[in-house]
Formats: sequence, structure tokens, C-alpha cells
Amino acid sequence: NAGVMQNPRHLVRRRGQEARLRCSPMKGHSHVYWYRQLPEEGLKFMVYLQKENIIDESGMPKERFSAEFPKEGPSILRIQQVVRGDSAAYFCASSAQTTNEKLFFGSGTQLSVL
Amino acid sequence: AQSVTQPDIHITVSEGASLELRCNYSYGATPYLFWYVQSPGQGLQLLLKYFSGDTLVQGIKGFEAEFKRSQSSFNLRKPSVHWSDAAEYFCAVARNTGGFKTIFGAGTRLFVKA
Repeated sequence: NAGVMQNPRHLVRRRGQEARLRCSPMKGHSHVYWYRQLPEEGLKFMVYLQKENIIDESGMPKERFSAEFPKEGPSILRIQQVVRGDSAAYFCASSAQTTNEKLFFGSGTQLSVL
Repeated sequence: AQSVTQPDIHITVSEGASLELRCNYSYGATPYLFWYVQSPGQGLQLLLKYFSGDTLVQGIKGFEAEFKRSQSSFNLRKPSVHWSDAAEYFCAVARNTGGFKTIFGAGTRLFVKA
């Protein structure tokens, strides 16, 4: 039973390029969360998705960032026209249901913008 | 708005000594409280959680935490620290808003000296 899978582990992009981060939740989990972790900071909530729906995107920057969780396939966090300030570790977590459920985390994607 | 404060950015303890990591939260009602641990380059792993009932919660790896409503605190403790406990520890709070949005503190990095 594989855990939460994130790929790639490391992603290097030049300023202005697009970054696509993928997250496959644990089997049977239909809730996905994305967090961003900057050096010396905790995890900042970005977005919460269920299959084909964005439930809460209050932590997402208004521009350049988008997320989806299609009926089939992994959840995608997309960052357009990346800037150096986007460099961070991006973690995905999943849960089976909304009530009293702990989060299972992936190992993260380290995004470096040159 | 709900928030989580971990006053100590880093703590150093000797192996075999006791440990207490502090966590304070701000929330109007009793939230769901968690402690997670993150090893370098890894995602987060749940240590323990509190939802209701007994205010002293036992977790994995010999950790425990005590919920004190009057102090809005949920401090993590371990009677005897092992070198392998060196990691970053995150306190988190969640509430059911039709889905669970988990907010994390900034983390406390634990160093263990021989």
C-alpha cells in the first residue's frame, strides 16, 4: 500500500518557466491538500481539493498558481511564470475523509528557481 | 482566525534528558490538535492527535501531549530523549469547515547532544 507519492522530488526552473508538481494520494483517499514550506518557516496551507472540486483555496496566491484534482490521475499544482520567491518545498497530503482524519504526507517537491 | 504558535525556534537537549516542546493555539472552540515530526528531506509524520476526551494523549515513539484548555496549550513531552529524536516538530490545529483545513505552527527544531 503505497503512501502519498509526489514527483518530481527536485525541480529546477528558470524564471518565467512553468512548474508542474504532481501528487498521487494514498489509495482510497479522496482529499488532497497542498502546503508550501519556506526555510525556517512552518507549512503554509495553500489549497484543499476533493475529486474534481476545489474546496478551499484561501492560501493560494491570486496569480500564477492553480491546482486541480481530476477524476482520474494525480493532483497537479501548477505555477506559471515562476519567480525566485517561489523556491520552496511543496508538500502534498491526503486523507480518507473529512472528519477527524489525520493527514498523510508525501516527501515533497523541492522547487528551485534560478 | 485560528493560529498556532510555537515559541521556541530550536531546542537542544542532552540524550536521556526530558523534553517539552511548547504549543499555543488560538481558536474560538476546541479544535482538533496534532503534533507532527519531520525528518530532514522527508514529509511529516503524525506523532499524536487530540480530538476529545482524556486531555493527556499518548503517541508513537514514547511521546505524549497534554491539552490544557485554560492555557490554550498542547505541549509535547518525552521523558527521555534519544539521539534519533533529532528532527523538526510541528504543532497543528484543524477544524471542520466542511472539510478539514490544518494550520501548522512554524516548527521547533530539536537538537540532541550526546
